[in-house]
Amino acid sequence: KAGVTQTPRYLIKTRGQQVTLSCSPISGHRSVSWYQQTPGQGLQFLFEYFSETQRNKGNFPGRFSGRQFSNSRSEMNVSTLELGDSALYLCASSGEGVNTEAFFGQGTRLTVV
Amino acid sequence: LAKTTQPISMDSYEGQEVNITCSHNNIATNDYITWYQQFPSQGPRFIIQGYKTKVTNEVASLFIPADRKSSTLSLPRVSLSDTAVYYCLVGGPLYSGYSTLTFGKGTMLLVSP
Repeated sequence: KAGVTQTPRYLIKTRGQQVTLSCSPISGHRSVSWYQQTPGQGLQFLFEYFSETQRNKGNFPGRFSGRQFSNSRSEMNVSTLELGDSALYLCASSGEGVNTEAFFGQGTRLTVV
Repeated sequence: LAKTTQPISMDSYEGQEVNITCSHNNIATNDYITWYQQFPSQGPRFIIQGYKTKVTNEVASLFIPADRKSSTLSLPRVSLSDTAVYYCLVGGPLYSGYSTLTFGKGTMLLVSP
């Protein structure tokens, strides 16, 4: 079956703009998590959605938001972009139950100029 | 969540066995140990997960001593394509209800010819 799909793969935005990233999970997966990866901070958890509800949230400012649709597809939005938001944004999906592994997409490389 | 400590980098040659050790002194009774692999500009990929003793799959083995304060990922006969960053994570069973993965800095493994 198809893996986790993230679009777009690359994006260049200007400071102050906003951006929306999309994630399509593996069919049947209802949990979608988002992570930010930068050289300095590594991989950091942003938030997780399950059945259209945000279940967990990391320590990021309110400019970072997300949502999940009834088909489990998820979007994350970053408003008022800052140079420090330049990063690889990763989405992971998983099924339910104990010891269910997380499957990651290839990520969206966001560059803020 | 238990903090993990791994070597920042390791070097090896093709055909050798590589062992990467992770320390997690504050591991909780319910915590599992999970390893992920990440190639540049790609999302992490699940390698193996264990709770105690030894776990083996088609790509790696995971050794966990009785006190569970450390674990060792063993990669048999590495090839150039095993050059990647390896992350050790400690936490609740994956996606057993709530799902956030806390990644440390990881170990950069460089395999040379």
